[in-house]
Amino acid sequence: SQTIHQWPATLVQPVGSPLSLECTVEGTSNPNLYWYRQAAGRGLQLLFYSVGIGQISSEVPQNLSASRPQDRQFILSSKKLLLSDSGFYLCAWSVGGATYEQYFGPGTRLTVT
Amino acid sequence: QQPVQSPQAVILREGEDAVINCSSSKALYSVHWYRQKHGEAPVFLMILLKGGEQKGHEKISASFNEKKQQSSLYLTASQLSYSGTYFCGTGHYGGATNKLIFGTGTLLAVQP
Repeated sequence: SQTIHQWPATLVQPVGSPLSLECTVEGTSNPNLYWYRQAAGRGLQLLFYSVGIGQISSEVPQNLSASRPQDRQFILSSKKLLLSDSGFYLCAWSVGGATYEQYFGPGTRLTVT
Repeated sequence: QQPVQSPQAVILREGEDAVINCSSSKALYSVHWYRQKHGEAPVFLMILLKGGEQKGHEKISASFNEKKQQSSLYLTASQLSYSGTYFCGTGHYGGATNKLIFGTGTLLAVQP
C-alpha cells in the first residue's frame, strides 16, 4: 500500500530564516506530487506541482521554491521566511492528473515569528 | 478562478440530511470532494468525471451538472463522524489538466 510522509510535523521559525520541508511517498512510482498551503480557517492554495523528476510548475509567485530530486521526494524551500508564510503545508500525491484522487500527507504546521 | 461553495457553514442534528454545492465559472471535466477534520489532512471522498463516471465513497452521493458547471454533495442520515470541512476541487481544460483548484470550503457540524 502507498504511504506519504511529511516532516517536520511542526516548526517555529523566525522571520528571515530559511525553510526546508520534505515529503516522501512510498509504494508507488512516478506519482504526481503537490504542495498546498492552508492559512488558518481557509481553503487549500496550490503552491507547486510536479509530474516528474526535475519538473516543477509554480502556481503562486512568492519567496518559496520547490524541487523534486528523486521520483518520490518533493521538497519545499525558502531562503528567507516572511510572517505571511505561516500556515499548514500539505503535500499530496496522485497517480495522474485531475481525473485521479489525491492523497494528502499529515502536514507541517509552520509558524513564522 | 476558485470555485464557490455554498453554504459556508451548516449545523445538523444526527440523522438529518445536507446538500453542499460547488460552482465554477470555468468549464469542468472533473470534480473532487474531500473532507477535512480540524487539524488533520483532507481525505478523499469522491470524484465525478465528465460523462457521468463516479469513483468514491459508497455512503455518500454526488451529482455533476456539466452544463451548469456545478456539483452537489449529498449527505444523508448524517452521523457525528460527518463533521468537518468539505472542499470541492475542480479539474479544468486547457493545459492545466494535472492540477485541481479547491473551493472555499463548507463547515459541517453534526450534533447529537
